[in-house]
Amino acid sequence: GQQLNQSPQSMFIQEGEDVSMNCTSSSIFNTWLWYKQDPGEGPVLLIALYKAGELTSNGRLTAQFGITRKDSFLNISASIPSDVGIYFCAGTAGGTSYGKLTFGQGTILTVHP
Amino acid sequence: GAVVSQHPSRVICKSGTSVKIECRSLDFQATTMFWYRQFPKQSLMLMATSNEGSKATYEQGVEKDKFLINHASLTLSTLTVTSAHPEDSSFYICSARDSRGAQPQHFGDGTRLSIL
Repeated sequence: GQQLNQSPQSMFIQEGEDVSMNCTSSSIFNTWLWYKQDPGEGPVLLIALYKAGELTSNGRLTAQFGITRKDSFLNISASIPSDVGIYFCAGTAGGTSYGKLTFGQGTILTVHP
Repeated sequence: GAVVSQHPSRVICKSGTSVKIECRSLDFQATTMFWYRQFPKQSLMLMATSNEGSKATYEQGVEKDKFLINHASLTLSTLTVTSAHPEDSSFYICSARDSRGAQPQHFGDGTRLSIL
């Protein structure tokens, strides 16, 4: 089945530093989404990408939908303590998997004040 | 923004009990809702797709008789874990997608199920 490889698995950074994480796939995805999950809560949508090459920002967050449609990255600039959490990439493909989300393994972000 | 409400947030019950979890889309209609299961420090795994007015579609390896799904209205889907056992303990999360156009999935806050 479809899989998303997300890296890095975890990051330990100082407040103020920039962060970059990415997801790759062996198959094409039609939509790329980035979510953040805090402990004991459901994922919250950060950015949704619908077109190959699309670059979208949401405050300090920027994400891009790769031209090949097989990858996406998320950047966080000037990190702050509340950025701590688990970040997941997710994608949807077409065909029989239409609408279903495939999730990456997640990136655990720790920000030291 | 799109809000999905999930209830209860936490359940602790004895082995053999059946547990019902509700998922509601509060400010939009959702013909499709999704149920996920998440183990500690792991990603979300799709269990089933809930379709309003029709049978749910289960992912491979998920027992449909164990995890009963009902999607009787455009704003409510329920997941019933029947005769729950300790190995069913997990974090269950639902999501819903606005029926209008291409919209991303929005998630509920999850239900922590603990079977003693």
